[in-house]
Amino acid sequence: GAGVSQSPSNKVTEKGKDVELRCDPISGHTALYWYRQSLGQGLEFLIYFQGNSAPDKSGLPSDRFSAERTGGSVSTLTIQRTQQEDSAVYLCASSYRGLGYGYTFGSGTRLTVV
Amino acid sequence: SQQGEEDPQALSIQEGENATMNCSYKTSINNLQWYRQNSGRGLVHLILIRSNEREKHSGRLRVTLDTSKKSSSLLITASRAADTASYFCATDADTGRRALTFGSGTRLQVQP
Repeated sequence: GAGVSQSPSNKVTEKGKDVELRCDPISGHTALYWYRQSLGQGLEFLIYFQGNSAPDKSGLPSDRFSAERTGGSVSTLTIQRTQQEDSAVYLCASSYRGLGYGYTFGSGTRLTVV
Repeated sequence: SQQGEEDPQALSIQEGENATMNCSYKTSINNLQWYRQNSGRGLVHLILIRSNEREKHSGRLRVTLDTSKKSSSLLITASRAADTASYFCATDADTGRRALTFGSGTRLQVQP
């Protein structure tokens, strides 16, 4: 596609439920990133995928968070047993080759845990 | 602590004035990038400046980089109401992490 697509755009879930967030990057971009942004704050790095290499999971805040990228394209971020502190905007970005190139961001998924 | 920290946190100016935002960082970098964010959603890449560059222009944007002071500035000339947004600097640092580190941003309000 022409841009990075994220779905859903908004998600309200009950505390304790699992959620899946989807990111469809720009075709041909080998690098894919997940960040999250709490209200009025900067971006917090979560995870990074580059081609077929092992992902950099160093930013995942707990073992309730996981992500996968299938076929080097679409990525899914899963949050298990959601907590209220998980409420944030989850942003996905892709890049042509990774660092050294700018990122193209999706519009984000606003997650609200009630 | 933040690798990139923007200053000021908020800035309000009149249309036609220039806006200057600053970014300071702590470790050595390969490049520094500036992004704009409208309405708390996706960020838009504005400009990338490499560590061996000192100044870069793109339209009404001018970015400088001083690696000795570990700082960068973003100048928007002849601002417009449409420039109202949050602006973030992001660093590609020599930390081993292969992802950009973002600052907390400067919220710019341009009054018509």
